[in-house]
Amino acid sequence: QKEVEQDPGPLSVPEGAIVSLNCTYSNSAFQYFMWYRQYSRKGPELLMYTYSSGNKEDGRFTAQVDKSSKYISLFIRDSQPSDSATYLCAIYNAGNMLTFGGGTRLMVKP
Amino acid sequence: EPEVTQTPSHQVTQMGQEVILRCVPISNHLYFYWYRQILGQKVEFLVSFYNNEISEKSEIFDDQFSVERPDGSNFTLKIRSTKLEDSAMYFCASSGDRLNYGYTFGSGTRLTVV
Repeated sequence: QKEVEQDPGPLSVPEGAIVSLNCTYSNSAFQYFMWYRQYSRKGPELLMYTYSSGNKEDGRFTAQVDKSSKYISLFIRDSQPSDSATYLCAIYNAGNMLTFGGGTRLMVKP
Repeated sequence: EPEVTQTPSHQVTQMGQEVILRCVPISNHLYFYWYRQILGQKVEFLVSFYNNEISEKSEIFDDQFSVERPDGSNFTLKIRSTKLEDSAMYFCASSGDRLNYGYTFGSGTRLTVV
């Protein structure tokens, strides 16, 4: 079973929509969860990270972790065309490395 | 805002040649990393570096790869004898301490091996 899985998309939504991006993971030892945004031919840019189960909010972004289901989500409210990018979930493990999902490509249409 | 700088942005090399990818991490960071992303695939961990030595490496990081911090500012990745399958985006990242999981990534070097 692969460690971190994401639906590759593309996910196309109209401007202003609420976007839900999701990841599943297999290793229950994972403890720290991040969301990165990656624009084409650029490096990943950290959006949020969280440790525990529950929600964490930052502006239009909310990260949600459900450790019992090994499921993490990123919600984007009032989506903008500038949010169009690939969103990567990443999980930190004790080996001091990040394990990334394959990314979900999001397109927000004006 | 501080950033991680990588050079060159694109490098083309012949198979079998040595390449050195360069990175300038954020100045007060202590932990340094290399990741790579083959086109259309996941971002993959290569190596982490702290206190002038490798702290972790993946199975991808074989004897053809090496890292070095030759001075107080640069962090380099060397591939000794490049193969076609080394073609990828290579990302350098840094963090301030081991408990700061939100690494800052550079914009990457696109390596094309022909």
